[in-house]
Amino acid sequence: GENVEQHPSTLSVQEGDSAVIKCTYSDSASNYFPWYKQELGKGPQLIIDIRSNVGEKKDQRIAVTLNKTAKHFSLHITETQPEDSAVYFCAASEGNTPLVFGKGTRLSVIA
Amino acid sequence: GAGVSQSPSNKVTEKGKDVELRCDPISGHTALYWYRQSLGQGLEFLIYFQGNSAPDKSGLPSDRFSAERTGGSVSTLTIQRTQQEDSAVYLCASSLELAAYNEQFFGPGTRLTVL
Repeated sequence: GENVEQHPSTLSVQEGDSAVIKCTYSDSASNYFPWYKQELGKGPQLIIDIRSNVGEKKDQRIAVTLNKTAKHFSLHITETQPEDSAVYFCAASEGNTPLVFGKGTRLSVIA
Repeated sequence: GAGVSQSPSNKVTEKGKDVELRCDPISGHTALYWYRQSLGQGLEFLIYFQGNSAPDKSGLPSDRFSAERTGGSVSTLTIQRTQQEDSAVYLCASSLELAAYNEQFFGPGTRLTVL
């Protein structure tokens, strides 16, 4: 089955700097890659996703890139703000099966 | 509209007791998922439902865990003879359909503490 590795497990950045979180997956059949953000005391929430037919997707300060050949995808957050502090999870699926999540990255944005 | 709700929000129980956790998905969502999140850890997938059916129960940690869904709506996760290692936050999510590109909407979770 699918296996998703996520790095780093923790990340601290200064406010205004960029943050990058990377994930690798094992199943070449996977074609859907969402990112979820979990704030303290809440359930995760979808923030952006990408399908295998595109290499990059942007939404304001966040972007996701996908390299299908290397089987890795990344989340990029620019101009980080304190409210970006949270745990971020990547996930992968081949479409008709439940998502397989990475172990999460705890991002701290230092004001 | 209302999101996914879970009850209770917190549950403290003694080792050996049974507990029942409830999830109310978003109305009309056919797929429902249960996850376990231990302190500071990732999302451990437990089980999913397509309608009332759970095709794969292999993610349940032991035979003390069971789940059911009735009427294509409310789901309950039951843990029998609780152990201290069962302490965690149990998250429920629902999506319009099972296909992964349907956004999963998570509830706030039930924090279970086994003394």
